[in-house]
Parts: sequence; structure tokens; C-alpha cells
Amino acid sequence: QVQLVQSGAEVKKPGASVRVSCKASGYTFSTYAIHWVRQAPGQGLEWMGWISTDTGKTGYSQKFQGKVILTSDTSATTAYMEVRSLKSEDTAVYYCARGPPFDPWGQGTLVTVSS
Amino acid sequence: QSALTQPPSASGSPGQSVTISCTGTSSDIGTYKYVSWYRQYPGEAPKLIISEVSKRPSGVPDRFSGSKSGNTASLTVSGLQAEDEADYYCSSYTVTNIYVFGTGTKLTVL
Repeated sequence: QVQLVQSGAEVKKPGASVRVSCKASGYTFSTYAIHWVRQAPGQGLEWMGWISTDTGKTGYSQKFQGKVILTSDTSATTAYMEVRSLKSEDTAVYYCARGPPFDPWGQGTLVTVSS
Repeated sequence: QSALTQPPSASGSPGQSVTISCTGTSSDIGTYKYVSWYRQYPGEAPKLIISEVSKRPSGVPDRFSGSKSGNTASLTVSGLQAEDEADYYCSSYTVTNIYVFGTGTKLTVL
């Protein structure tokens, strides 16, 4: 079945970077884009950006432009999201999702930023 | 790009119907048919329940229906069941080639 499996939880210090992976299976990886969505504790969903797994083209929400870098490795059927210059307010669960529409979703990766 | 506006909460008794609105602008919902809805249980990832305004993915009960009028999309849940209690989010494509989510609605089954 179509599945996205994300890497495990991370704890980072302010100013550090974090990379989250999203391993796809059950379909031809390059035929769908991968989107990334953030959910801060107790808050709603926030669309961050997307990557074409075919061409590598990316698009970002203005809020995350320059803060986030999206990449993908077709041979590994894996998409990656790097968040730079982490601050406490970046503490959140980060999801990847195939799309559009966003289906399915990965299980989410909790990134905690704390000194 | 501002988030789409949803009511913070909605509620209904078992068997009743409830409609959740999602208000955007002519730059998103008003222009595109690419409006989708997601259900999220606490501690879980969201799940797609409606795509392209009114399409139900395989496995989603026909109790869930979607519609759109102007800049506002709506999700209707008919025959409410206890398992429908969750957070619901809308999403839309926008004229700036990005996506935006709604503020989210907590549905309570009384």
C-alpha cells in the first residue's frame, strides 16, 4: 500500500539545523510531489512547501522561504526537509504528504528546539 | 497568504447533520476547484476525506460531502457518529502557486 514513513523525533539546540526524511513506498515516487506541513503544539496545520520528485522544482510559503530547504532522492524514494537556524518557535510536528491532494501523510516527526 | 477561516468549533448530536464552513478569497477558494478537507484525530496524522471540493476518496463514507459557493467551501457530515469527533481542516490552492490551510474546526459529538 502507499505509505510515507518519516524519520524519528529530534531534539535540537537553538541555532542548529535539522533534517527530516520521508521514505515513500507502494507507488512510483517520481509521479507525485511531496509537500511538507508543520503543526505547532496545540495549533493548526501550516503548509510549508513542496518539491517535485520528478524535476526537483520547489515552492515555498513566503514564511519558510530561506528557512527551509526541500530535496529528494529518486533512487532512495525519499524526500528530505532541512530547517535551518532553529528557534524555540520551530518546535512542532512536521509532516510530509504526497499530493496534491495531500494523501497519504507520513506519521509526523516531532522536532523539539530547546537549550 | 492568510489562513482560510473556519469556525473554531462545531457540534451536533448523534444522527444529526453538521456543516463546517471554510472562507477564503478570490485568490484561493473563489478561483480554484482544488479545495480539500482533512480529518485529524488527537495524536494522529491528518487524513484526506474530500478532494476537489466534493470528491470522496475510496473508503470515506458518503456521510461526508463537500460543496463550494463563491469564496466559501463547506463540509457537511450527515448522520453524526461518535467517531466523527475530531479536528477538521480545509485546504486550497492559491493564485501564488502555494497552498493554504484553514484555521481548523473541532467537531464535538454531543
